Amino acid sequence: EAGVAQSPRYKIIEKRQSVAFWCNPISGHATLYWYQQILGQGPKLLIQFQNNGVVDDSQLPKDRFSAERLKGVDSTLKIQPAKLEDSAVYLCASSSGTGPSNYGYTFGSGTRLTVV
Amino acid sequence: DQQVKQNSPSLSVQEGRISILNCDYTNSMFDYFLWYKKYPAEGPTFLISISSIKDKNEDGRFTVFLNKSAKHLSLHIVPSQPGDSAVYFCAASYSGSARQLTFGSGTQLTVLP
Repeated sequence: EAGVAQSPRYKIIEKRQSVAFWCNPISGHATLYWYQQILGQGPKLLIQFQNNGVVDDSQLPKDRFSAERLKGVDSTLKIQPAKLEDSAVYLCASSSGTGPSNYGYTFGSGTRLTVV
Repeated sequence: DQQVKQNSPSLSVQEGRISILNCDYTNSMFDYFLWYKKYPAEGPTFLISISSIKDKNEDGRFTVFLNKSAKHLSLHIVPSQPGDSAVYFCAASYSGSARQLTFGSGTQLTVLP
């Protein structure tokens, strides 16, 4: 089974620039999550999709962050304009929603963003 | 407001000995707890989980203990191996949260040969 694919792996941008990240979940996984992990902290949920609908985006800074999951498969997360404090690893995860152990949660390798 | 706390940023253990990683939580609604392991430049990988109806779950060298009254859980690794060196995250979820995970800040485990 192929894992969760994310690209790019690394990105360096200047503040006030825009950036986009891409995620392709495991085939058949209806639920997709974007997490932000700042250095020294645990991952924090930004947004959750169920198919192509948003389940929860309460922690997404909507003045600068946006995300979409057209057709209920892959997803993009965009930041515009970026701030220094957006430097973090952005993790995408997908879940089948079933399974007793971990809800079938699988994380991608993440995109490391550095804003200078 | 940190609902899941891992108060030890790092832990060093000798190979073959027991590693004990601790986690505390404040939200009484949490009813499912998970441990993830993370290597550098990789995403977190699931290790073991426990439901609030249990107080212990075992999987090979890994055992998770849950003390609901103290709102505390721990991960025991016996025996520890150098390949276990990684960052370990405790995470929690509750039934009404659409399976969103709340993570602790992680503990860097180093197993010395």
